[in-house]
Amino acid sequence: DVKVTQSSRYLVKRTGEKVFLECVQDMDHENMFWYRQDPGLGLRLIYFSYDVKMKEKGDIPEGYSVSREKKERFSLILESASTNQTSMYLCASSSWTGALPGELFFGEGSRLTVL
Amino acid sequence: KNEVEQSPQNLTAQEGEFITINCSYSVGISALHWLQQHPGGGIVSLFMLSSGKKKHGRLIATINIQEKHSSLHITASHPRDSAVYICAVRKGGGNQFYFGTGTSLTVIP
Repeated sequence: DVKVTQSSRYLVKRTGEKVFLECVQDMDHENMFWYRQDPGLGLRLIYFSYDVKMKEKGDIPEGYSVSREKKERFSLILESASTNQTSMYLCASSSWTGALPGELFFGEGSRLTVL
Repeated sequence: KNEVEQSPQNLTAQEGEFITINCSYSVGISALHWLQQHPGGGIVSLFMLSSGKKKHGRLIATINIQEKHSSLHITASHPRDSAVYICAVRKGGGNQFYFGTGTSLTVIP
């Protein structure tokens, strides 16, 4: 069974702390994504990566950075957490073979609360 | 303006009813996805469509590329179908996805 695994389901952090959210996929997918999900706003793209060490900013990259050192792992980093980053964070992966789009697979989500 | 619009935002149905959720999009796409999210849960993919119609159990998804419109139908709805249904499109030639804000479905026994 295909899988996208996020490291933590629930986190509580204090303002100013550095936060790492990790995501691992076992499907050898090229594309990996980090989204945040907020009520009424839907899913918003923070960053995505289409290959190892490659990354592109999404719609709301401010306050976040990412790392993709290995194909299966995509990490989201909050350098200095703030209360407005309290949200549900979802990692996703998808294959891409040029002409043929692949299905989209999500992790279970990481609910982050910043106090 | 959102690239993907869903309707309705909220839907309550009696068990057994036929349900339709609509999705309209404004960009050229390579594929459209219907996703399901149960309360507190992750998101699972129900369908990926680039043309025509797909069926899986009581769920049917259709797409009209010319009209840039897709529908998700649930026949003989059941309380376990209660979830948020999200339409997503993959922009043509690209790696990015655009999402609707979701339709929250509640099926009452």
